[in-house]
This record gives sequence, structure tokens and C-alpha cells, in this order.
Amino acid sequence: NAGVTQTPKFQVLKTGQSMTLQCAQDMNHEYMSWYRQDPGMGLRLIHYSVGAGITDQGEVPNGYNVSRSTTEDFPLRLLSAAPSQTSVYFCASSSPGHMNTEAFFGQGTRLTVV
Amino acid sequence: QQPVQSPQAVILREGEDAVINCSSSKALYSVHWYRQKHGEAPVFLMILLKGGEQKGHEKISASFNEKKQQSSLYLTASQLSYSGTYFCGTEIQTDSWGKLQFGAGTQVVVTP
Repeated sequence: NAGVTQTPKFQVLKTGQSMTLQCAQDMNHEYMSWYRQDPGMGLRLIHYSVGAGITDQGEVPNGYNVSRSTTEDFPLRLLSAAPSQTSVYFCASSSPGHMNTEAFFGQGTRLTVV
Repeated sequence: QQPVQSPQAVILREGEDAVINCSSSKALYSVHWYRQKHGEAPVFLMILLKGGEQKGHEKISASFNEKKQQSSLYLTASQLSYSGTYFCGTEIQTDSWGKLQFGAGTQVVVTP
């Protein structure tokens, strides 16, 4: 199993550019989420989805959009990149409601906005 | 709503013990613990459900005090491989299942 796959691994953007971070999972998990990780701040939840067609905002949603058209995919869109969005982004998936509800993380996307 | 972790960092010699704490102001359904090595993704260690259970993973164990909404992670007889940043993730009872809020992390360095 591939688990959770994120692409790209690294990206440099200019201020104002837009892009989509891809996330795909092959475990048939209902729940998917996006986090950003900044030094000293841990993992902060951006957006999450409890199933196809259903998304909701996390702690830091401004400047990001998501959609969930399939169970497998949960892309994160940066509409107009800003230097404050320089961060490491992690996608995670899980199947809550069962005994083993661990979250599986992708390998991360390191984004730099210049 | 992020849980509060303490301490921020701890330095241990091999064989020493340490405790990492995680507390929430909200009623919790579960507490997760993850470890992240530098440049890698967080990896699941264990989950504790409300009910005050205790779990173990090798010589790493954890407890969950439901009355205080606190969890503690115990690193016993630490090994070099225990180095990394430890995060607690909490599921709040009034939130969607699966929605995890993470603490800021505790950096653990184990030296020979």
C-alpha cells in the first residue's frame, strides 16, 4: 500500500501565484485533513473533510481552499500565495469511529513563497 | 483550542526517564501521541480513549486522566532512537470524529 501520497515534495512560489498541493490515499479512509507545520507551533489544522463532498475549516483556513470530490483525493489550493504561507504542509487520513483511529501522514510538501 | 504540551524540550542521557504532559481545556474523546523525526512525517505511537486507560509501546507508555483532561507520555529507560519531537493530538467530544488538534510539540534529545 502506498498510504498517503503528497505531491510535490518541494515547491517555490512567487508572491501572488496560485498552486494546488495534491494528496491521495488508498486506504479508503473517510477522514482527510491538511496541516501546516511552522517552527515552535506544532501542526495547525487548515481544512478537513469527513467524506466525499463534505469539507470544513480548521484553525487557520484563510488563504486556502479545498474540495473533496472523491474518497481518495483531497487537494489544497493556495489562491494567491503570500510569504506567510511558507511552511511544511502535511496531509493526513484516518478512519475514525473504530478502535484504531490513527492518522496516517503523507511525507509533506515544503513550500517557500518568495 | 490547541492542547498545551510541556515541557517544550528535554535532554536525556540514554537510560534516563522523562514525562511529557498534554492538557486540554475541552472535554476529550481521545488523545493521540505521535513522534516526528527531523525532516520526516509524524508517526503514530498510541491512542488513549476516554476512560482513563493506559497503553504502552515498547518502553513508551501513556495515561489519560479524563477528569483533568490531561495525558502524560512516559519515556522509560530512553534509547537513542527515542530522539525526536513528540506531539499530542486531541479529539474534542463536541467536534467531528477524527478531527485532531495538535500541541506545539516536545523536542526530546537522547544523548549517549
